[in-house]
Amino acid sequence: GAGVSQSPSNKVTEKGKDVELRCDPISGHTALYWYRQSLGQGLEFLIYFQGNSAPDKSGLPSDRFSAERTGGSVSTLTIQRTQQEDSAVYLCASEQRQGGIHGYTFGSGTRLTVV
Amino acid sequence: GQQLNQSPQSMFIQEGEDVSMNCTSSSIFNTWLWYKQDPGEGPVLLIALYKAGELTSNGRLTAQFGITRKDSFLNISASIPSDVGIYFCAGMNSGGSNYKLTFGKGTLLTVNP
Repeated sequence: GAGVSQSPSNKVTEKGKDVELRCDPISGHTALYWYRQSLGQGLEFLIYFQGNSAPDKSGLPSDRFSAERTGGSVSTLTIQRTQQEDSAVYLCASEQRQGGIHGYTFGSGTRLTVV
Repeated sequence: GQQLNQSPQSMFIQEGEDVSMNCTSSSIFNTWLWYKQDPGEGPVLLIALYKAGELTSNGRLTAQFGITRKDSFLNISASIPSDVGIYFCAGMNSGGSNYKLTFGKGTLLTVNP
């Protein structure tokens, strides 16, 4: 597609439930990133994919968080046993691997609310 | 870990005024970027700075990469209502192929017509 697509755009879930957030990157972009934006905060790095592998998972807050990427394209971020502190906007970005930063494009995010 | 201090936290200005915001870091970055985020959208890149001391303009926007590589500022001249939004600075140190960004907490800009 023309841009990075994320779904759902909004998700309300009960505490303790699992959620899956989806990211469709720009076609041909090999690098994919997940960030989390809490209210009034900047974006916090979660995980980086190069192709289907994740060389940097250092930002995942706990073992309840996991992510995968298949076919070098779609990525899914899964949060198990959600907690209220997981409420945030989860943003995905993809990047064209030609050096430089100009190809770094964000999606519109998934707003997750845990009640 | 690396932290960025962005100020001011918010600004309320009149249309036509100039705006300045800045970021400082406790450590060095080799790239600085400025993003704008509109409500319900992801951040959009405004300006990228790759070299210490670099001064770059993009229309009414001007940004500089501090000579120490620990700071950057963004100026907006002759503000207009559509400049409203949250502005983020971000620093990057590319480690191999990993271009992850460290973000400031943002400056909320409100422009009064």
